[in-house]
Formats: sequence, C-alpha cells, structure tokens
Amino acid sequence: GQNIDQPTEMTATEGAIVQINCTYQTSGFNGLFWYQQHAGEAPTFLSYNVLDGLEEKGRFSSFLSRSKGYSYLLLKELQMKDSASYLCTTGANNLFFGTGTRLTVIP
Amino acid sequence: DTAVSQTPKYLVTQMGNDKSIKCEQNLGHDTMYWYKQDSKKFLKIMFSYNNKELIINETVPNRFSPKSPDKAHLNLHINSLELGDSAVYFCASSQAPGDPYGYTFGSGTRLTVV
Repeated sequence: GQNIDQPTEMTATEGAIVQINCTYQTSGFNGLFWYQQHAGEAPTFLSYNVLDGLEEKGRFSSFLSRSKGYSYLLLKELQMKDSASYLCTTGANNLFFGTGTRLTVIP
Repeated sequence: DTAVSQTPKYLVTQMGNDKSIKCEQNLGHDTMYWYKQDSKKFLKIMFSYNNKELIINETVPNRFSPKSPDKAHLNLHINSLELGDSAVYFCASSQAPGDPYGYTFGSGTRLTVV
C-alpha cells in the first residue's frame, strides 16, 4: 500500500525559513516529488529526489532519506506568494498524493 | 500556448445527468491521467493512460468512463451524476509513468452537482 504523512497546516513569517516534513510508505518507489498548489489552481512541479541527499533549487531545497522514508522541503526567504499547499508525492506508475501542507506566510 | 488544457473550467449540473470533460496536451507526452480533488483537498488518481492504453483504473464507479482517442487527448465521461461527484477534476500528463520531470496538470474542472 501507499501512505503519505505531512502536517496539515503551517504558518511562517515573511523572510523566514520553513521546513515541511513528509514521511512516506510505498510499494514501488520511483522518486519523491514536491508540488506547489495555490488555492483554486493546478499543482505545479517543484522538485524531484531519487537519491539520498539535498537538492537545491533557488530558494527551495528538497531532501530525501530513502532508508527512513522521509523527505522535507525547505523554503528560504519566505515571500507572501509562497502561501500555498505543498504536496509530497511518490509512486511508481502514478503519483500518490496526500492532502498536502497548507502554508500561510504572514507579514 | 497552454500545455494541458481542460474544458470546461466550471460545470454545474443536476443529479442524474451525463456530462463529459475534455483534456488535451500539446507536450508530446505519452501518458495522461485523471485525478479527483475533493473538498478536503485530497488529490486521488482515477485513471492513467499510456499511449492510448489504459494502465491504471483505480476503484472508481463504472459511471466514470475515460476515453483516449489518441495520446494527446484523454476525455472523461460521467453517467448518472451524483452529489458526491462534486469535486475538482484535474487532467495531467507526463513523458512516461513515473517521469522524473513530474506531471504537468491542467487548470482543473470544478464540477458541482445540484
């Protein structure tokens, strides 16, 4: 079976750093993806990790530990526009999503 | 140019009606998907097609029937609509199942059954 666990909601201050954690269980692993979804919009691809370690992409970084079934998304220098849901997902032939973490950035 | 386009964007209809949602992608991808996002924002796979062939058919009522006339199109037909079908339906595509470049999603179709 498959299971994704993330915190439901987080709040952080503009300019700060926030880490969104994700633990997963999957019968077929083909990498760990992070997506961003603004309210009323489609999810958009942020990052992909298939090997252990940290992948950095601008203000966003994503980390993976396959042995622990654990990933996190790190957002630096938070901006108001980063307020959105962040979806951790994995799967083999299709992506299995959880409900995501709704991040609210406050001034 | 929109990469994955869905029509209509909004659909309000009465219980018992039959409706269709269309999806087209111009990315040259081989794989297309339908996802349903309910009021709790849970995004759940419904169907997946690879090169016009059905590869994933999750536990979805028979009232839902996907059709892929070619690999650039994946339509969703829903018979005898029920209140519980109200949700946002997203079409997506990828180069292949499990593509490391991720999926590209359409903007969604908000279906409201009254």
